[in-house]
Amino acid sequence: EPEVTQTPSHQVTQMGQEVILRCVPISNHLYFYWYRQILGQKVEFLVSFYNNEISEKSEIFDDQFSVERPDGSNFTLKIRSTKLEDSAMYFCASSALGASTDTQYFGPGTRLTVL
Amino acid sequence: AQSVTQLDSQVPVFEEAPVELRCNYSSSVSVYLFWYVQYPNQGLQLLLKYLSGSTLVESINGFEAEFNKSQTSFHLRKPSVHISDTAEYFCAVSALAAGNKLTFGGGTRVLVKP
Repeated sequence: EPEVTQTPSHQVTQMGQEVILRCVPISNHLYFYWYRQILGQKVEFLVSFYNNEISEKSEIFDDQFSVERPDGSNFTLKIRSTKLEDSAMYFCASSALGASTDTQYFGPGTRLTVL
Repeated sequence: AQSVTQLDSQVPVFEEAPVELRCNYSSSVSVYLFWYVQYPNQGLQLLLKYLSGSTLVESINGFEAEFNKSQTSFHLRKPSVHISDTAEYFCAVSALAAGNKLTFGGGTRVLVKP
């Protein structure tokens, strides 16, 4: 069964450093998402992406964040200058269509630790 | 805006006993409702969803959830749990008028004891 994959599974970085989190969505899906879960808090939506453009973003997704689909398979989340509060589990997801009824398929997550 | 509340953060239950995970939501527009399950070291997997029609929806592994519009609830139940049901369960909503993002509850960790 096709699945969403994410690398690395765990990333440790120093405050102020740039990190890139990578995701490979399901191959025939058109919509891609990033969510995050700070320890002890809810899973929160960050951004959705379609046709090489951001289709929606949350208040969390400020200028420090960017997303990119650099080739036909990868989908990346970049944090330019990490802060302590960026420590969280980051989940990538994809869906075939972008409808509110559509099932989103999630990857296993990348645990980001900012020191 | 939408919000989701899962009233129980942890639910211990014995094997073969029933379990109910509570989920309430708040929204000013119509919503679609989802339950996701996360097994250890895995991503969130869709368990079931309610879009329209019959208010009772079932999954292939024995879970069911009932949409109750008047109580704005979507509780998840299983009449007899297995050890393999040990996982974290997330209730989520999406709204037709609010893009395609999911809004999640805080999750309920189910620990099935032998």
